[in-house]
Order: sequence, then C-alpha cells, then structure tokens
Amino acid sequence: SQQGEEDPQALSIQEGENATMNCSYKTSINNLQWYRQNSGRGLVHLILIRSNEREKHSGRLRVTLDTSKKSSSLLITASRAADTASYFCATDAYSGGGADGLTFGKGTHLIIQP
Amino acid sequence: DGGITQSPKYLFRKEGQNVTLSCEQNLNHDAMYWYRQDPGQGLRLIYYSQIVNDFQKGDIAEGYSVSREKKESFPLTVTSAQKNPTAFYLCASSILVNTEAFFGQGTRLTVV
Repeated sequence: SQQGEEDPQALSIQEGENATMNCSYKTSINNLQWYRQNSGRGLVHLILIRSNEREKHSGRLRVTLDTSKKSSSLLITASRAADTASYFCATDAYSGGGADGLTFGKGTHLIIQP
Repeated sequence: DGGITQSPKYLFRKEGQNVTLSCEQNLNHDAMYWYRQDPGQGLRLIYYSQIVNDFQKGDIAEGYSVSREKKESFPLTVTSAQKNPTAFYLCASSILVNTEAFFGQGTRLTVV
C-alpha cells in the first residue's frame, strides 16, 4: 500500500512565487524523503528529514515534519520554470519482519508559468 | 562515472512472453529496489533487496521475479503471469535500505 499521499495533486503558479506541497503518511517512520521527477525520467533525491527533526533547508527548499500529525511539507521558494516537475514524498516502512522498503505517494505535479 | 544503469530504455514484447529488465549499479550500494509507475501515478514497490542473495516482495510482486546474485546487479523478470505489464519500470539503489535512493532512467515496457 502507498504510505504517503501528496496534496495537492497538481499545482500551477507564476515564476517567482513560492510553491508548497504536503505529504501525509499513516504509520511511524524513521525518516521521510522528497524526490523530484522530470517527465519520463528517473527520480532525483532532494532532501531527507529524520523523525527527530522538525525542519530542514537545502538551497531554495524547506521541508518540515510533524510526526504528531504524520505530515510533511515541501516549500520551494522563488520558483523557476526549471522547477516544473512532479514531486514525491517517500517514507520508510517497517513491520515485524524488518524493513519494508521505501514507499512513495502519487506525487504533486508542479507547473511554473513563465 | 558512478551511477545506476537500466537497459534497455524502451522494450516491446508480445503478450505471453517473459522479459528481463536489467539494472546495474557501481555505487557499492547494498540495497536495490524495483518500482512500477503507471501514467499519472506514483511508484509502487515490486521487489527490494537489502543485501546480496536476499530479496523481499513489495506491494505488487505477483507476476514478477528477481534475483540478487551479485551486489551490482538486480534484474527483474516480468512473467506472462503479470496481467497488465505495460508500464514504466524504475530501478533504484541506496547504501542501506530506506536511505537516500539513486534512480536509474527507467525502462518503458510495452506488451502488445
């Protein structure tokens, strides 16, 4: 089952504006990751936030994590046309048998209008 | 160059035939994964391997098989038992399971 769910499914903003997308998940995690995918390509890792962290920055990216609400947000500031892509959150999952592998949500498709 | 390579990029097969997708990495990563992505959808985990000679089923393993005989290689076979095999297949690897994953460029499989 897909652990993470991104919201919104699609987002269109003007270049220069900030873009915020959210991810909710169901079970306890050790870490949450965000990835980017350009159309028809593989995914690229953006940032990893651990369960004991609340906020993390990387360049124009800011990620927050609220484990009490089982949710995370990705903020892209000062968006550029090149930021147009799909963004996915991924969570690690563990069961009684150990690690269950990285599970991804359905993604947010971000379009930056020039 | 270090990285993860999937081949071929496009693959066409007739219905009822088994087909094997290649995934090779030279990153010295222990963990490897196979995902399936359908149009407009997220990634669904097929199989993953935490270490050589070991692998576990993901959410949609039925109709697929894998092997992990070498650290560098994690081939995926799509069998005739897979009811709807046409999809975009992505392979990934990470140093340890569930850490930062590096993805290949994908194989687009079309079964006709």
